Amino acid sequence: DSGVTQTPKHLITATGQRVTLRCSPRSGDLSVYWYQQSLDQGLQFLIQYYNGEERAKGNILERFSAQQFPDLHSELNLSSLELGDSALYFCASSPRDRVEAFFGQGTRLTVV
Amino acid sequence: QKEVEQDPGPLSVPEGAIVSLNCTYSNSAFQYFMWYRQYSRKGPELLMYTYSSGNKEDGRFTAQVDKSSKYISLFIRDSQPSDSATYLCAMCRGSSASKIIFGSGTRLSIRP
Repeated sequence: DSGVTQTPKHLITATGQRVTLRCSPRSGDLSVYWYQQSLDQGLQFLIQYYNGEERAKGNILERFSAQQFPDLHSELNLSSLELGDSALYFCASSPRDRVEAFFGQGTRLTVV
Repeated sequence: QKEVEQDPGPLSVPEGAIVSLNCTYSNSAFQYFMWYRQYSRKGPELLMYTYSSGNKEDGRFTAQVDKSSKYISLFIRDSQPSDSATYLCAMCRGSSASKIIFGSGTRLSIRP
């Protein structure tokens, strides 16, 4: 167990809908990273928050957004969902902004 | 051409065999080289990482980096059925997990 908790584990929703994925980092970790893993694109970095502020952006669509709250948990919001957004979404955390990050178990999103 | 290339396998070997997993890359700016293990329906787990060239050993696992050939390897000695997983190589241009580029993963199966 990495200490990073993601909820829900599974999510099935319809196209056009909006969902929120939640991540609780390891105790004391300030940095939270979101990744998307799909069969065709592999594991790709989406966005990073550090102590409440956006630190880095990767291949994140404009329909997607994230935030980190004062208690350091983070949420990834996905809107106007399309079939192609079906994927595993992982959250990872690290004490500071480091290469070594610890991944959660992921949320499997299925858009139908 | 992808920045990081990894043979997807699957690779099946008998228990006790030495396993060799490899990746090639094209970006000379990569400084950190990592190997992750991902069990089915779980998040990636960082096995080892090295900075720049050279070898690193941790128990039954040895990571090698050859920057001149842009080639990295992971060797698993005395392989066990519990080593059956997908192994992802990953590389980083800086010192943040936001800059990691992942390989597509090699599925490994160890036969008892």
